[in-house]
Amino acid sequence: QTVVTQEPSFSVSPGGTVTLTCGLSSGSVSTNYYPSWYQKTPGQAPRTLIHSTNTRSSGVPDRFSGSILGKKAALTITGAQADDESDYYCVLYMGSGFWVFGGGTKVTVL
Amino acid sequence: EVQLVESGGGLVKPGGSLILSCAASGFTFSTYTVAWVRQAPRKGLEWVSSISGGSSSISYADSLKGRFTVSRDIAKNSLYLRMSSLRVEDTAVYHCATAAPGTRAFDIWGQGTMVTVSS
Repeated sequence: QTVVTQEPSFSVSPGGTVTLTCGLSSGSVSTNYYPSWYQKTPGQAPRTLIHSTNTRSSGVPDRFSGSILGKKAALTITGAQADDESDYYCVLYMGSGFWVFGGGTKVTVL
Repeated sequence: EVQLVESGGGLVKPGGSLILSCAASGFTFSTYTVAWVRQAPRKGLEWVSSISGGSSSISYADSLKGRFTVSRDIAKNSLYLRMSSLRVEDTAVYHCATAAPGTRAFDIWGQGTMVTVSS
């Protein structure tokens, strides 16, 4: 069974930088998995931040960026703001219409 | 306006059935793969099922073990999820979402409909 791993939580100071990662229980994440990132706040629909590893969705501020770092996909928030406090999820496309979400990372800005 | 609106959630007893609907508007629904994604209380997001634009490709998360059936009606711009043999652990908010051609990412999301499985 494929498991997508994310850090459970991160804390960042306002104006600071934080990098969240998205890995595989076995193997490396590459662009072939089309990693995407989503922001989820309680009671709201998920918001798509990044698709295809590093492409920002329409309207997403450029303080959010995606990349591959080593064997993992990564989401970096540069210049964190208070309203960036949220849960962040990565998703990997496994092929043939199958997706797997990571467990999510709770980001606290303080 | 581009949007997805889910409906059909509610309270159901363990072992019961429910059909969720997702109405699409503002875009060419027939060209998109669409998916169901759920979030149980205090848990993370979980991909449930997907169906391609022409319904030729359908997939389900392994954990569902054949209890859920996804379908779509192009003429009605609607997506459906028939859930049977429901379990307490199926309690969640169910979102529908489109997967944009080429990106393999979910881009348009609905607000979700709550399903509670409880005796």
